[in-house]
Amino acid sequence: QLQLQESGPGLVKPSETLSLTCTVSGGSISSNSHYWGWIRQPPEKGLEWIGSVYYSGSTYYNPSLKSRITMSVDTSKNQFSLKLNSVTAADTAVYYCASLKVEPPYYYHVDVWGKGTAVTVSS
Amino acid sequence: EIVLTQSPGTLSLSPGERATLSCRASQRIGSDYLAWYQQKAGQAPRLLIYSTSRRATGVPERFSGSGSGTGFTLTVSRLEPEDFAVYYCQLYGASLTWTFGQGTRVEIK
Repeated sequence: QLQLQESGPGLVKPSETLSLTCTVSGGSISSNSHYWGWIRQPPEKGLEWIGSVYYSGSTYYNPSLKSRITMSVDTSKNQFSLKLNSVTAADTAVYYCASLKVEPPYYYHVDVWGKGTAVTVSS
Repeated sequence: EIVLTQSPGTLSLSPGERATLSCRASQRIGSDYLAWYQQKAGQAPRLLIYSTSRRATGVPERFSGSGSGTGFTLTVSRLEPEDFAVYYCQLYGASLTWTFGQGTRVEIK
């Protein structure tokens, strides 16, 4: 059974870079029917897709965050990562890594979520 | 960019009542690309419905989805105590983007 686990610092200073890693277990990150994504949720707010990466390294970013994001994948470690630079208090959120199933004709949804990791941006 | 608008923001109902949640897209979308999630406090979201109307594994039959074009609905036929939560619709869009609605909170009346 596929499981995802986020790791990274819970506190980041303003203007610095937020770095998170997601470790995939119970399945291969080299799946051709999955993209690997990051989704965040500010306190008391809704869900926001940050970006996705395919095992080949192709990336897809939310246009509103694109200039600050870098995502990558390490197939040898079954991990993918997020870097968000120049953070401000508005980037404070729970960050979820997720398995995004894309398999025509019916499957276009998040099928597995990590537990989420809380990140606070503060000096 | 397609925007998903959920209504109402909050739904106050009693256990046993029917809940009807709306998700409206700013443009026509393919019904295969619309999913619904349930999120309880302190937990990650859980997939309920995909492809507009297909229930995910283990989801009770009281949850159903419908719709087409720009209007989509999640219905809970009879609310159980564990159904009081926040619900999100999600669209898989062009250029492999993912969009969520702002959520509907179903609270106990």
